[in-house]
Formats: sequence, structure tokens, C-alpha cells
Amino acid sequence: AQSVTQLGSHVSVSEGALVLLRCNYSSSVPPYLFWYVQYPNQGLQLLLKYTSAATLVKGINGFEAEFKKSETSFHLTKPSAHMSDAAEYFCAVSGGSNDYKLSFGAGTTVTVRA
Amino acid sequence: DVKVTQSSRYLVKRTGEKVFLECVQDMDHENMFWYRQDPGLGLRLIYFSYDVKMKEKGDIPEGYSVSREKKERFSLILESASTNQTSMYLCASRGGQGHGYTFGSGTRLTVV
Repeated sequence: AQSVTQLGSHVSVSEGALVLLRCNYSSSVPPYLFWYVQYPNQGLQLLLKYTSAATLVKGINGFEAEFKKSETSFHLTKPSAHMSDAAEYFCAVSGGSNDYKLSFGAGTTVTVRA
Repeated sequence: DVKVTQSSRYLVKRTGEKVFLECVQDMDHENMFWYRQDPGLGLRLIYFSYDVKMKEKGDIPEGYSVSREKKERFSLILESASTNQTSMYLCASRGGQGHGYTFGSGTRLTVV
């Protein structure tokens, strides 16, 4: 079975500062990993995904994430926060290409201070 | 772009009612999913369907059933709604191996 743990349910950053959201996974097979963003009263939107190609993955809106097998981590970063980045972020894992299901973390809410 | 459409954004139902939540996708995806989202718990999988008329239980299927008679439509049914089923319900479809899911905008269900 696969699972993810997101460290920190709330993160507050200043506009222009680094955004770092932590995700650790557990998987018995090589995982596929995803980050999603949810704006208020909306569904989830895919930010980026790792599917066993390059370990540094670039996504939309300036976000990127690095897959580190030795640390079982897939942390999400953005060099400079913008007010529009205020949202809830979810890390998710599936058990590779043969696994239909995504397992989600509990989510991290990001607030951006002016 | 793939569109996943959930028929209602907000619903209020009474305890004991039978409730239908509808989801339609327009990209011929085989896999469809129903999740519920609760604060502090993230998203939890209720049921999924990997093909027409096929369904499998997710992590929290109790009190729910599903129907998939056509490829584009996946319905979630609350047989007898209870207050602990008050939640945000999200439908998703998946476009093949290694692809992320595309989510609908969600249905916020309140059971009173």
C-alpha cells in the first residue's frame, strides 16, 4: 500500500519568499508522485507529477519538486511566493503504472503575507 | 482540456433521503473516481471504476454505492443519508497510466 505524509498543515510565507512544502511517501513499489493545488471552492488542479523520468520536475506557476528516493521525499518549492499562491496543496502517490488509485496527504494550507 | 462536470455545487438533504451525485467527463477516460474531502483528513477514496459497469471499493465505501452504465458518467449514491456524510465530494477521471487525475469542482453536501 502507498501513503504520503505532509509535514505541516499550515505554512505562512511573505510575498517574495521561498515556498517549501514537505511530502514524504511510503510505497512498496516504485511510486508515481503528484502535487495538486486547490483554490477556495474549486476542485483540485495538477501542479506537477513524477513518473520515474527526471527526478527534478517542473510544474505550472513556477513550482518544482525533487524526487529523492533515499529520503522517500517529494518536496514542493517555489523560489518567490506570490499572493495568488495562497491555496491548499496536496501531495499524492500511486503505486506506479499499474495502480489506479491515488492516496492523498492531509493537505497544507499556504497563506501569503504582503 | 478534459472537463469533469459535477451536476451540483451545493446540496442540502435530509437524514434518511436517498441522494444521487452525478459526474460526467468528456474525454473518453476509462477510470473514474469518487473522493470525499474533510478538513484535516485530505481526500479519501470512496469508490472507483476502471471501466463501464466495473466498480471497486475504495477506503471508505460504507454507506455509499455507485453506478457506471455509460463510460462518461459515474454516479455516487448515498442510500440513506446521514449527518456524518456531510462533506465535500469530488469526482475525478484519469487518462491512462502515469497521468494525473482531472477533478470536478466538487459538490458540497450538507445532511440535516
